[in-house]
Amino acid sequence: AQSVTQLDSHVSVSEGTPVLLRCNYSSSYSPSLFWYVQHPNKGLQLLLKYTSAATLVKGINGFEAEFKKSETSFHLTKPSAHMSDAAEYFCVVSGGDMRFGAGTRLTVKP
Amino acid sequence: EAGVAQSPRYKIIEKRQSVAFWCNPISGHATLYWYQQILGQGPKLLIQFQNNGVVDDSQLPKDRFSAERLKGVDSTLKIQPAKLEDSAVYLCASSLVEGTEAGELFFGEGSRLTVL
Repeated sequence: AQSVTQLDSHVSVSEGTPVLLRCNYSSSYSPSLFWYVQHPNKGLQLLLKYTSAATLVKGINGFEAEFKKSETSFHLTKPSAHMSDAAEYFCVVSGGDMRFGAGTRLTVKP
Repeated sequence: EAGVAQSPRYKIIEKRQSVAFWCNPISGHATLYWYQQILGQGPKLLIQFQNNGVVDDSQLPKDRFSAERLKGVDSTLKIQPAKLEDSAVYLCASSLVEGTEAGELFFGEGSRLTVL
């Protein structure tokens, strides 16, 4: 069985400061991992994905994530937050079906 | 390229009534998913189709939920009779990748159901 745990339900940062959204995964084999973003009243959108190639994955809007097998983590980062980054972020593990984490709500203060 | 279309966007019903949601995936996408997203939670997979066959419906409450994907294109999700705990956003997603390979999912905007 596979699952993901998003360690923070809510993260608040100031505009221009770094963002860190944490995700740990559990999988009995090498997983594929994704980050999706959900803006209010909008559909879920893929930010980035890891599928056993480079461990540092770059996504859209300046986000990136690093796959660390030894720590079973796939944390999402961005060097400088923008107001438009305020949204709900979901970490997803896939081994056939897609299992979503509970989500982290990112708030960006001016 | 047109995205995943869902309707209706909003629906309010009384408990024990029935409701149906419709989804039209991106053209050419073989795999279609229905997810349930309860407020404050991540989406939960209800059912996965590949073409017109069911791949996974292990989390679908089959006593009240049903789904079909006739002709392997659009899909309908039905709830009958609805319960209060069915209040959620029902998300449809499609994927170009067939089988069990991991692929990007393209989501519709969802259908928000309120059961009173």
